[in-house]
Amino acid sequence: GIQVEQSPPDLILQEGANSTLRCNFSDSVNNLQWFHQNPWGQLINLFYIPSGTKQNGRLSATTVATERYSLLYISSSQTTDSGVYFCAVRGSGGSNYKLTFGKGTLLTVNP
Amino acid sequence: GAGVSQTPSNKVTEKGKYVELRCDPISGHTALYWYRQSLGQGPEFLIYFQGTGAADDSGLPNDRFFAVRPEGSVSTLKIQRTERGDSAMYLCASRFGPDQSGNQDGYTFGSGTRLTVV
Repeated sequence: GIQVEQSPPDLILQEGANSTLRCNFSDSVNNLQWFHQNPWGQLINLFYIPSGTKQNGRLSATTVATERYSLLYISSSQTTDSGVYFCAVRGSGGSNYKLTFGKGTLLTVNP
Repeated sequence: GAGVSQTPSNKVTEKGKYVELRCDPISGHTALYWYRQSLGQGPEFLIYFQGTGAADDSGLPNDRFFAVRPEGSVSTLKIQRTERGDSAMYLCASRFGPDQSGNQDGYTFGSGTRLTVV
């Protein structure tokens, strides 16, 4: 099946810093989503972005489908941004109905 | 409803007991998924329903796990003879349908049920 790799696995920032999280995937995709998992375990959808660029406040994401990667940008980070960020993809091949997740990036933003 | 609802939010059970976890998807969503997340890992696929039928149950770890969706809406994940290794966060997601495109293709997750087997 499709493989999803996220980097870095851990990231520690000071409040106000910017960061870039990366997601590489091994095959063509019909869907790519970025999620933020809060301390209570809920997965909050940040972006649905199988291709192109989107922005939502301090967050933006870019997916270059032809090169099989996606980037999540966090600007002017805040302590509330802390948590695990997951990239998840749905492959365009035969089993094309389920999301496959990466292992996540654990972000800690210190005050 | 407005979102995906999962109950209970937390469940502590003794080894060997039977548990049921419930998922109430977004109204009208035809596709429903169960995922399991162990500590420090990403969610892993368990089972997918399209309507009332389980279209793919290849992620269920063994025959102690079973899920139903009898009316094509609410789903129940059932675990028999629980083991300590079953302790995890169980997440449910719903989606509009396999042929949709654009944002209607996005998956919405519930808050999960944290299962602890002692």
